[in-house]
Amino acid sequence: AQKVTQAQTEISVVEKEDVTLDCVYETRDTTYYLFWYKQPPSGELVFLIRRNSFDEQNEISGRYSWNFQKSTSSFNFTITASQVVDSAVYFCALSEARDYGQNFVFGPGTRLSVLP
Amino acid sequence: GAVVSQHPSRVICKSGTSVKIECRSLDFQATTMFWYRQFPKQSLMLMATSNEGSKATYEQGVEKDKFLINHASLTLSTLTVTSAHPEDSSFYICSAREPLAGKYEQYFGPGTRLTVT
Repeated sequence: AQKVTQAQTEISVVEKEDVTLDCVYETRDTTYYLFWYKQPPSGELVFLIRRNSFDEQNEISGRYSWNFQKSTSSFNFTITASQVVDSAVYFCALSEARDYGQNFVFGPGTRLSVLP
Repeated sequence: GAVVSQHPSRVICKSGTSVKIECRSLDFQATTMFWYRQFPKQSLMLMATSNEGSKATYEQGVEKDKFLINHASLTLSTLTVTSAHPEDSSFYICSAREPLAGKYEQYFGPGTRLTVT
């Protein structure tokens, strides 16, 4: 069965600090996708990134970067020069195929507080 | 990009009544839709998967007679919470799969906050 672990329940940083959110996953499938979502207080999930299991290239998008390491089953997310607007709950998710559709498994989430 | 809407965004109902939540794919046809529940300060948990024109598949521990799901068209799925109780108060989020986007792509709605008094 698939599983996603986010060991950090809550993180507090001061604005402009860099912060890394950890994500470790378990799956028996060779084909799968990994995602990161941001959930601000409004509740709506904001899609950040999708990465497939065959693409281990790291990605940078502005202040955001992701490090995918299949050898350690990790897909970590780093925010550089954090801002107060980054305060939210961040979820890592895994999607693999099932007989009747696609199953998203979410990690428990990491609540990030960026203090001014 | 693909857009999924939910209605209502917030609903308060009395214990014992039923409430219906709609999930619509606005600019694509969704063959499969998913319903998640999120309790305060917790993660999203998949409740059920619905395929257009067939019965929903419920996750273990989810009462199918209490959470009625109907996916009558390619753009609409509904979740009806029957005989609601305060413990059903939660944030309900739907997602829809767009076939053209690939097998693993899902688009999430903005969520519906249900409060049962």
